[in-house]
Amino acid sequence: DTGVSQDPRHKITKRGQNVTFRCDPISEHNRLYWYRQTLGQGPEFLTYFQNEAQLEKSRLLSDRFSAERPKGSFSTLEIQRTEQGDSAMYLCASSFRGFQETQYFGPGTRLLVL
Amino acid sequence: KNEVEQSPQNLTAQEGEFITINCSYSVGISALHWLQQHPGGGIVSLFMLSSGKKKHGRLIATINIQEKHSSLHITASHPRDSAVYICAVRTLPQGGSEKLVFGKGTKLTVNP
Repeated sequence: DTGVSQDPRHKITKRGQNVTFRCDPISEHNRLYWYRQTLGQGPEFLTYFQNEAQLEKSRLLSDRFSAERPKGSFSTLEIQRTEQGDSAMYLCASSFRGFQETQYFGPGTRLLVL
Repeated sequence: KNEVEQSPQNLTAQEGEFITINCSYSVGISALHWLQQHPGGGIVSLFMLSSGKKKHGRLIATINIQEKHSSLHITASHPRDSAVYICAVRTLPQGGSEKLVFGKGTKLTVNP
């Protein structure tokens, strides 16, 4: 257990539905990252927060994706109008200060869109 | 071509063997990470390197910045080392942006 938790661990949804995932980072960590990992691939960067500010979003993050970290603590990642191509493992990680620091990963949320 | 390439993609070894996993990258970096991912998804950071060599238990990681290459070695491999090992590089900031770029991973299976 790294101290980063994600909920739910698994989600099955039908195409077109909205889903929301939650990440609780290690409490003193000010940076929070979201990644997506498809089968057989390494993780791909989606977005990251410094406290409550979203500092960068990947081109992978289409308009259907939105992430928030309202109080600089937990974060949510919402996918609207899900598509089968959204099926993946969504990973959250946190670190203290910045990229120089070790990132601690959560267990991931595995999404299956039918 | 991916910015981070790992080899081999799959590796099967017998318990006790010496393991080497390689990572090559094509971009300027400020650091390189080696990560371990077990079935079910959990990722653990093993090393962060910007130069030279680091050792932790039976794991050794080296990096050659000039050659843009890193290796992860496992001595006296054990079945519990079976996992996917992922190399990730922290790219140099461009326009204020730094990001981690990941390789596809090397799946290691150590048989008893």
